[in-house]
Amino acid sequence: QVQLVESGGDVVQPGRSLRLSCAASGFNFNVYGMHWVRQSPGKGPEWVAVIGHNGAQIDYAESVRGRFIVSRDNSKNTLHLQMSSLRVEDTAVYFCARDLGANKFFDYWGQGTLVTVSS
Amino acid sequence: DVVMTQSPLSLPVTLGQPASISCRSSQSLVYSDENTYLNWFQQRPGQSPRRLIYKVSNRDSGVPDRFSGSGSGTDFTLKISRVEAEDVGVYYCMQGTHWPRTFGQGTKVEIK
Repeated sequence: QVQLVESGGDVVQPGRSLRLSCAASGFNFNVYGMHWVRQSPGKGPEWVAVIGHNGAQIDYAESVRGRFIVSRDNSKNTLHLQMSSLRVEDTAVYFCARDLGANKFFDYWGQGTLVTVSS
Repeated sequence: DVVMTQSPLSLPVTLGQPASISCRSSQSLVYSDENTYLNWFQQRPGQSPRRLIYKVSNRDSGVPDRFSGSGSGTDFTLKISRVEAEDVGVYYCMQGTHWPRTFGQGTKVEIK
């Protein structure tokens, strides 16, 4: 069965860095685009970043552009999000979600990992 | 960015009664391939979002047939024909036509 398992969330101080990972299993990871989506406490989801199936297409939300880097390792079925210059407003649960377009965009999400940015 | 506006934000419903959630987009969600990429998600407390409906009206596998989606262009609706206790949660619409992808602010369904 399809599984997406995020990890790496932690409590960090403003200005610090953190790296999140998303381990995929149960499907052909290297044909899917992958997204990061975050959800602040009590708020709706906010799209953060996308990476194409082979890493060639990458895009970011304006709120994280220049601070976050998305990458993937298809040999290990793993997605990453390198977050730097973290701000209090980056506090959220971070989810990964898969995307094959058409009928399969955002059809599976992980359980999320919590990032808390606080001094 | 395309703004997705849901209403109502809170929806108390009696068990067995119908419920309806509206989602309006600030731009047409019809893509160049003539598909409309509008998803509906259910998020139960403490869980990640679960996709219920894709491309406006297509139900995902395992989703009860009491859930239905409709609409076109900029105006969309999620209906629950008879609300059950397990339907409690927050429902979000999301557009996948334009970048960046955007979500509605959510509609909280609760039992009266």
